[in-house]
Amino acid sequence: QVQLVQSGAEVKKPGASVKVSCKTSGYTFTDNYMHWMRQAPGEGLEWVGWINPNSGGTKYGQKFQGRVTMTRDTSISTAYMELSRLRFDDTAVYYCAREGYDSSGHNSKGLDSWGQGTLVTVSS
Amino acid sequence: QPVLTQSSSASASLGSSVKLTCTLSSGHSYYIIAWHQQQPGKAPRYLMNVEGSGSYNKGSGVPDRFSGSSSGADRYLIVSNLQSEDEADYYCETWDSNTRVFGGGTKLTVL
Repeated sequence: QVQLVQSGAEVKKPGASVKVSCKTSGYTFTDNYMHWMRQAPGEGLEWVGWINPNSGGTKYGQKFQGRVTMTRDTSISTAYMELSRLRFDDTAVYYCAREGYDSSGHNSKGLDSWGQGTLVTVSS
Repeated sequence: QPVLTQSSSASASLGSSVKLTCTLSSGHSYYIIAWHQQQPGKAPRYLMNVEGSGSYNKGSGVPDRFSGSSSGADRYLIVSNLQSEDEADYYCETWDSNTRVFGGGTKLTVL
């Protein structure tokens, strides 16, 4: 079955960087775009961006451009999200999620598998 | 880009049915959306996608009690025979070529 397993919780100081990993199994890693979201305490879901694991191409949300970098290592079926110049309001649970496709393989059907989440706390 | 609007809360009794609504912004009424359930302290879980035609496709393992429908710009999630474990936050999601968008979420309380 499809599994996305994320790295453990992190505590960082303001101005530092954090890198979260998302190790996948149960499917062909390069067949599906990988998205990253975050959820601040008590808040809703916010999209950060996506990476195409096949080409390495990325698209970031406007709010995060210049601070976020998404990469992948196809040899170990793992995606990464690095957020730099951390601020207090970056404190959140960060999720990776796989984009699913319909039977044609071309049309998105939504984010059909999620990682367990990684809590990133920014504290002085 | 599309905007999704959800009521902040809903409640229904154990064993009854509830219909949650996700409304697409003007000009985006034909978009497909997806529904996700987030139980307290857990990651979101994909439930289904719902098309403008009203057809829906559920994810693996989603109980039969969950179904979807559509009317104009509204996309619905219907939960029948409510169970205590259905108490959760429910988010709708949509997308275009540039972005992914989530509704603000509906907190469902099972009385």
